[in-house]
This record gives sequence, C-alpha cells and structure tokens, in this order.
Amino acid sequence: GQNIDQPTEMTATEGAIVQINCTYQTSGFNGLFWYQQHAGEAPTFLSYNVLDGLEEKGRFSSFLSRSKGYRYLLLKELQMKDSASYLCAVVDSNYQLIWGAGTKLIIKP
Amino acid sequence: GAVVSQHPSWVICKSGTSVKIECRSLDFQATTMFWYRQFPKQSLMLMATSNEGSKATYEQGVEKDKFLINHASLTLSTLTVTSAHPEDSSFYICSARDLSRSSYEQYFGPGTRLTVT
Repeated sequence: GQNIDQPTEMTATEGAIVQINCTYQTSGFNGLFWYQQHAGEAPTFLSYNVLDGLEEKGRFSSFLSRSKGYRYLLLKELQMKDSASYLCAVVDSNYQLIWGAGTKLIIKP
Repeated sequence: GAVVSQHPSWVICKSGTSVKIECRSLDFQATTMFWYRQFPKQSLMLMATSNEGSKATYEQGVEKDKFLINHASLTLSTLTVTSAHPEDSSFYICSARDLSRSSYEQYFGPGTRLTVT
C-alpha cells in the first residue's frame, strides 16, 4: 500500500525554527505538497516541490532531495499563528494525491 | 483566483433525513473534484473523486448509496448524505483541480460542518 509518514505532533517556541519531515512509500512520485490547516478550517496551500531544491515563501521553505531522501517543511521565526496542522501530500503515478495524517505544530510563548 | 465555495458552511439535521452539500469552483473549471471527511483531531480522509459527466469513484469503505455524488457541470459537484445518522457528523471538505493549469494542486473549499442529532 501507499503510505506517508510525518510526525504526529511537534512543539516549538515562538521565534524559533522548526523542521517537519515527510517520508513516503508510493507508487511513483510526481511531486510533494505541503498544506497548512488551522483547527476547524480547510487546508490551504503552502508549497509544491517536484524537482530537487528549495522553495521559499517568506518564513516558510520546503526542501526536496529525492536522491538523499530529504523532504521537509521549514518554518522560521515562528509566530503563535503558525500553530496548526501541516499536511504532506505526494502525487503518485496515477496523479492522485496521497495524504499524510498531518503534523500538529504547537507554538509556545 | 482558484476559489472554491461550499454551501452550507454548517448544517444540523435530524437522524434519518438527507443533507445536500454543494461545492462550486467560482473562477475556474474543474473536471475533477474531491470530497473529504475529517473527524475531530483526525486527518483528511478522501471519500470519493467526482468527475464531471461520469460516475464518482469511491474509496474503499465509503458507501456510494449513502453518499451520493453528482458532478453536473464543470463548476459544481454535490454530495448528498442520505439517511443521516449521528456517526455521519463530521467536517466535509471539497477540493477541485483547475482544468487550465498543469498542476496537481487541489483548491479547497471552506468545509461544511454537519451535525446529525
């Protein structure tokens, strides 16, 4: 079967940096998405990586290195509003999104 | 751009009744829409993939006769929860892919919170 693994929960301090890893076992790979989901709300798009490299958007960066097995979301200068779940999703060989269970990020003052 | 709306945003219904949820892509065409369910503190669960002009593809374990999906146009898909039971109470979210973009990104609606009493 297909599987996406990411930490269930992480805790970090306001102003710090946190890295959320994602590993996958899927039938093929056509890119990796990161979405943010606040409690009680729908997910919102953060980033998409299909080629190795770094995608930066302000305080958030997503990194992919398929050969070295690195896939992570990096959040810098954490703010309280960053407390949310972060969902990793992989596009498989059938171009379907396979979703991880999400990482709940708790930011403490 | 790429805005998806859902209606209603929340609904309370009595056990045994049916509820229809609409998902619309407001500024783009979507041949494919997706319906998800999410229970409190749990991950997204894909229920079905809705294709315009054809039957929906349901995920394993999802009753197609209970969760009726109709994708009548390139901008509208509906999910009808028939004979609702309290265990159907959940957060239902739809998403859509933009036909004009060579991207697999899914644009999410705001979700519909269903409570069955």
